[in-house]
Amino acid sequence: AAGVIQSPRHLIKEKRETATLKCYPIPRHDTVYWYQQGPGQDPQFLISFYEKMQSDKGSIPDRFSAQQFSDYHSELNMSSLELGDSALYFCASSLEVGGTEAFFGQGTRLTVV
Amino acid sequence: QKEVEQNSGPLSVPEGAIASLNCTYSDRGSQSFFWYRQYSGKSPELIMFIYSNGDKEDGRFTAQLNKASQYVSLLIRDSQPSDSATYLCAGGDSNYQLIWGAGTKLIIKP
Repeated sequence: AAGVIQSPRHLIKEKRETATLKCYPIPRHDTVYWYQQGPGQDPQFLISFYEKMQSDKGSIPDRFSAQQFSDYHSELNMSSLELGDSALYFCASSLEVGGTEAFFGQGTRLTVV
Repeated sequence: QKEVEQNSGPLSVPEGAIASLNCTYSDRGSQSFFWYRQYSGKSPELIMFIYSNGDKEDGRFTAQLNKASQYVSLLIRDSQPSDSATYLCAGGDSNYQLIWGAGTKLIIKP
């Protein structure tokens, strides 16, 4: 079965650079969530989209932005990267029928040097 | 403040025994609950989800939900060393946002 696909899997950037992470949800899923997980920490919710509109916002820094496109894939844009942005970034998708079951991608490991 | 709380552990269980993981939540509006297993450096993997009060069994896993007491638990029967991981509990609210616990580290000792 198709799963949530994230790209790239690994990314190394220098401070003050920009990065774009991509998430391709499971086919027919209309909701995408972004999470940030620092070393030894639980995932922190960043932002979510439902039907291409932002549905909720968590602890996403102002330097980050995200959007969901017409094909339901989502991109997380990160600017002015800081060392503290080094983390695993997970994307999850769900289909809002009968509950809030979400399926996660493999994550993108971002390292800022 | 919506919260989901878990004991961080580590919880050490002998191989073959029953591992019991617990989670409490503060938001009475939470409608669904999920247990995810996460191996180090990997993304969380959904194990069980439960919406209704009572027990839900799937193989060696049983999820239990008690909405009156606002807790949800996960039982793992016949624990295996491969079950050693961090188990994350999450509650889903009416806006489809998952509220995460910090996770419980489970260690199955051979």
